[in-house]
Parts: sequence; C-alpha cells; structure tokens
Amino acid sequence: GQQLNQSPQSMFIQEGEDVSMNCTSSSIFNTWLWYKQDPGEGPVLLIALYKAGELTSNGRLTAQFGITRKDSFLNISASIPSDVGIYFCAGTLSNFGNEKLTFGTGTRLTIIP
Amino acid sequence: GAVVSQHPSWVICKSGTSVKIECRSLDFQATTMFWYRQFPKQSLMLMATSNEGSKATYEQGVEKDKFLINHASLTLSTLTVTSAHPEDSSFYICSPQVTGRETQYFGPGTRLLVL
Repeated sequence: GQQLNQSPQSMFIQEGEDVSMNCTSSSIFNTWLWYKQDPGEGPVLLIALYKAGELTSNGRLTAQFGITRKDSFLNISASIPSDVGIYFCAGTLSNFGNEKLTFGTGTRLTIIP
Repeated sequence: GAVVSQHPSWVICKSGTSVKIECRSLDFQATTMFWYRQFPKQSLMLMATSNEGSKATYEQGVEKDKFLINHASLTLSTLTVTSAHPEDSSFYICSPQVTGRETQYFGPGTRLLVL
C-alpha cells in the first residue's frame, strides 16, 4: 500500500533541543494528522490539520498543513524525555479526517542523556 | 478523546490455530471500524474497513478468508485470524470511527505471536 515519506527516519537529540520533522506525499490529502506511538501501544493523536496552510499548536508542538496539500511538518520545542517515541504523519482524503488513513514511514526520536 | 479498548493485549498461539481480537469503543458508537497491522519497526498498514452491519472491505493483498471481521454492533468489532502462521505475527490495531466526527482514535493494540 501507499506510504508517505517521512524524514528524518531517526533523530538523536539532547534534552531541551528543538525538533523538526516533515512528511511528503505524491498525492493530495485534505486532512493531515500527526501521531505519537510508544512501544507496544497504539498511536495517540497529537495534532489534526484540516486546511491547506493551517498552522496549529498543541503545547510545545506545532504542525503545519502545506499549501500544496502534499506535505506537512511537525516541530517540537524544548524537548523533554517523555517526547521519546515514534512520530507518524498520516493523511486522508476526508475533510474531517474520518476515512482510512495513509501513514508515513515514521520518525524515531531518541533523547541522549 | 475517545476511549478504545482491545482484548487481548497480547496472545501467543500455535501455528494453525485461530485467534480472535476484540475492539470496543467505550464512550461512543462507531459506525466504521478500521483494522490496521504493524510489523516490527514498520508503519501502520490498513487491512480492512467495516461498517456496522455490512461486510468488510479489504485492502489489496489482505486475504478476506483469513482475516475475518465482524462489526455486528456499534461498540464492538472483532478480527479473527484463522489458521494463523508465523508470518501473521504482528501488532494489530483497531480504529473505530463515527461518520462526520473529526479525527481518528486508535485502540492500544494486540500483539500476536504465532509459534
């Protein structure tokens, strides 16, 4: 099945650093979602984006829906240990984000002590 | 957010046996259920979509006779892996959805290990 390209594949940072990751697609999506997955658990929704160009924040997280509707980025500011995990972007053709999702390849975030 | 449960959280079985995984939406009624599969160190891949009371729609490459999905009520869906083989070992995650409601939530997942 189709997957979205996420980069970087993995990141090793120190606590307190800012993080940036992005997701690109060859086709248009109407909704972009960002999830975080901890080991052995299901994905947890972080941010949902419904409009091209939209910039949305959730605490230290900020995400933007690319104007071309083919990309999105997620920024995490002042990283903390609990930010460790795998981050997935996901896109859907639905305007409400309630149809099947196409997932990105994931970005694994590790914090170096 | 929505509360979703899956049972069991993990299961180990012998090759050739069948395994049933339950997914429940605890605080809302799910008109649609998505079932995903995630192999180690890989992303989530959609297996099938089911609407309450209807037959499931399977993604290309997913055997409908092997992965039986029942969505008989708005709060419960089951995925049965029939005649499981080691290559079916994976992390199975459900995602119940209400039509018209924003975003998607996921269950905690069921890890299946077939020996």
